[in-house]
Amino acid sequence: EDKVVQSPLSLVVHEGDTVTLNCSYEVTNFRSLLWYKQEKKAPTFLFMLTSSGIEKKSGRLSSILDKKELFSILNITATQTGDSAIYLCAGRGSTLGRLYFGRGTQLTVWP
Amino acid sequence: DADVTQTPRNRITKTGKRIMLECSQTKGHDRMYWYRQDPGLGLRLIYYSFDVKDINKGEISDGYSVSRQAQAKFSLSLESAIPNQTALYFCATSDGPGNQPQHFGDGTRLSIL
Repeated sequence: EDKVVQSPLSLVVHEGDTVTLNCSYEVTNFRSLLWYKQEKKAPTFLFMLTSSGIEKKSGRLSSILDKKELFSILNITATQTGDSAIYLCAGRGSTLGRLYFGRGTQLTVWP
Repeated sequence: DADVTQTPRNRITKTGKRIMLECSQTKGHDRMYWYRQDPGLGLRLIYYSFDVKDINKGEISDGYSVSRQAQAKFSLSLESAIPNQTALYFCATSDGPGNQPQHFGDGTRLSIL
């Protein structure tokens, strides 16, 4: 059974802290790992990772994939209150391109 | 205007009622999806469609049906709503074939009393 597991499920930090969110996956015929940020509404796309060891970066956010160990991490440096959100990880297999989502990590950043 | 539009945004209804949630998109994507989100459970796939003539069940399709009326429209129906279908419902689209990200609408918050 395909599955994606995220940890921690909840995280509270103060502004300026650096956080690491974890995502492990077991997806048949794995093709890619995606990260989304969900505030009050729609999940918004952050990164898609397909190759091991190649970091994707956007501002203070970065992510990397390890296809041997079947996990990915999302790093956020110098956190801000606007980073407070649910961060969702999803794995995609080659079978019809479906995404398998983890339960998400609820990140709260206090001023 | 949003690329993926869901209507209604909020709905409260009673057990046993038939409900339709609608999704339309202007992105020109072939693939459309319906998910439900429950607190602490992430997103779970209900149905998906890769073109107008293609409909597939997801992991939690029982109690739901869908219709792909056109490339741009994909509706989700609850034939006889029950309280445990209370959830946040999302429609998503992606360009295909290929390894492309999915893009989500703002969701429909459905409460069944």
